[in-house]
Amino acid sequence: QKEVEQDPGPLSVPEGAIVSLNCTYSNSAFQYFMWYRQYSRKGPELLMYTYSSGNKEDGRFTAQVDKSSKYISLFIRDSQPSDSATYLCAMSGNNYGQNFVFGPGTRLSVLP
Amino acid sequence: DTAVSQTPKYLVTQMGNDKSIKCEQNLGHDTMYWYKQDSKKFLKIMFSYNNKELIINETVPNRFSPKSPDKAHLNLHINSLELGDSAVYFCASSQELDQPQHFGDGTRLSIL
Repeated sequence: QKEVEQDPGPLSVPEGAIVSLNCTYSNSAFQYFMWYRQYSRKGPELLMYTYSSGNKEDGRFTAQVDKSSKYISLFIRDSQPSDSATYLCAMSGNNYGQNFVFGPGTRLSVLP
Repeated sequence: DTAVSQTPKYLVTQMGNDKSIKCEQNLGHDTMYWYKQDSKKFLKIMFSYNNKELIINETVPNRFSPKSPDKAHLNLHINSLELGDSAVYFCASSQELDQPQHFGDGTRLSIL
């Protein structure tokens, strides 16, 4: 079983749709849960992060962490064409950097 | 003002050459990293460097060596370049180990 699994997509939605992106993981030591957005030919941009379980909201974005199920989600409300990018989940634990793991990313296209 | 900057953006060179990539962060972070993103877009951590402590991913060949002249800089030296080294290399930094990271825009390395 891979340490972090994420549906690579591509995922195409119409403008204004609610987008749900998900990752599952196997290592229960993970404590930080992050979502990054990566545009073509750019570096990953930190969107949101959560420490331990719970929800976090920032504008149109909501991140959820369910440690009991080892499942994290990112919801994008009122999606815009500018949201078209690859979304990567990432996780880290108290294991000195070696335990920082990225999912493979989901390609999202929001169609006008 | 760019938070994490890498130079050069593009690097085209021949097999067997030695090259370096520079990275600087102005975020005042204590930890810096190097990642490799392959053609399938997987991001894999290569090194973590924190307070002069280097943590190496054991899968990284010893042809790759990070050098940190100070806390704000972490350069990557690569000896005897091979075809399989072609990838995008990202530098990142975080306040402490395992905390969310901020990325540069990458260096695209192509080996002829």
